[in-house]
Amino acid sequence: RKEVEQDPGPFNVPEGATVAFNCTYSNSASQSFFWYRQDCRKEPKLLMSVYSSGNEDGRFTAQLNRASQYISLLIRDSKLSDSATYLCVVNPPSGGSYIPTFGRGTSLIVHP
Amino acid sequence: DTAVSQTPKYLVTQMGNDKSIKCEQNLGHDTMYWYKQDSKKFLKIMFSYNNKELIINETVPNRFSPKSPDKAHLNLHINSLELGDSAVYFCASSRGQQVGETQYFGPGTRLLVL
Repeated sequence: RKEVEQDPGPFNVPEGATVAFNCTYSNSASQSFFWYRQDCRKEPKLLMSVYSSGNEDGRFTAQLNRASQYISLLIRDSKLSDSATYLCVVNPPSGGSYIPTFGRGTSLIVHP
Repeated sequence: DTAVSQTPKYLVTQMGNDKSIKCEQNLGHDTMYWYKQDSKKFLKIMFSYNNKELIINETVPNRFSPKSPDKAHLNLHINSLELGDSAVYFCASSRGQQVGETQYFGPGTRLLVL
C-alpha cells in the first residue's frame, strides 16, 4: 500500500458545483497534513493546512479523520479558476525525522 | 523579488553528461529541499538541508550530490545522467525543519536526458 493515495481523477464538474476529494495515508503516526494546489506546468503552492478539528477558508473546507486515516478537501461553488491538481501532503515518521510525502494529486476540471 | 528561484528553467542534455541545477531563496528560511516530479506527476523528496546540514536523504543514487554553500542556496549536481533522470526538479524552502512547516517551491527545472 502506498504511503499516500489519491484518486487521480480527473473530476470534471460544472461551475458552481460542490466537489470533494479524499486522500488516505498508511502510517498512523503521521503528523501535519496539508493540501497544495499545482497548476499545469507550475510549482505546487500551499492551499491550506488540515487540522483535526477541521478548518475552512472561504469556499474550501479541509478535514482530518485520524481513525480512518484520511484527509478530505471540499470545494463549494466551484470556479473555472479552481481547475488544477490538488496534492495532499502527509508527514510520516522515518528515522527520527518526518518526511513530507505527497500524493500523486487529484485533477479537477471545472467547466462553464 | 522571486522568493525561491532556480536555474536553469530547462535543461536538455545527453546521457552520461554531468549537470548542475542551482536554487536560491531570499525568504531567510533555514531549511531547503530538492524534489523530483516524474512523468506520472509523483512529487518525491530527495534531500533536505537545515542551515547547510543534510537532514533528509531519501535513498537517492549517489550520482546526485546536493551542496549547500550557505543557508540561502542549495544546488544539485548530477553525474552520469541517465534517461530515467528526466523529470521536473523542484527546489523548496521552509522556515525551519519542524514537521508541518509550509514549503515554498521554486518554479522547477525541466530536465530532459536524451
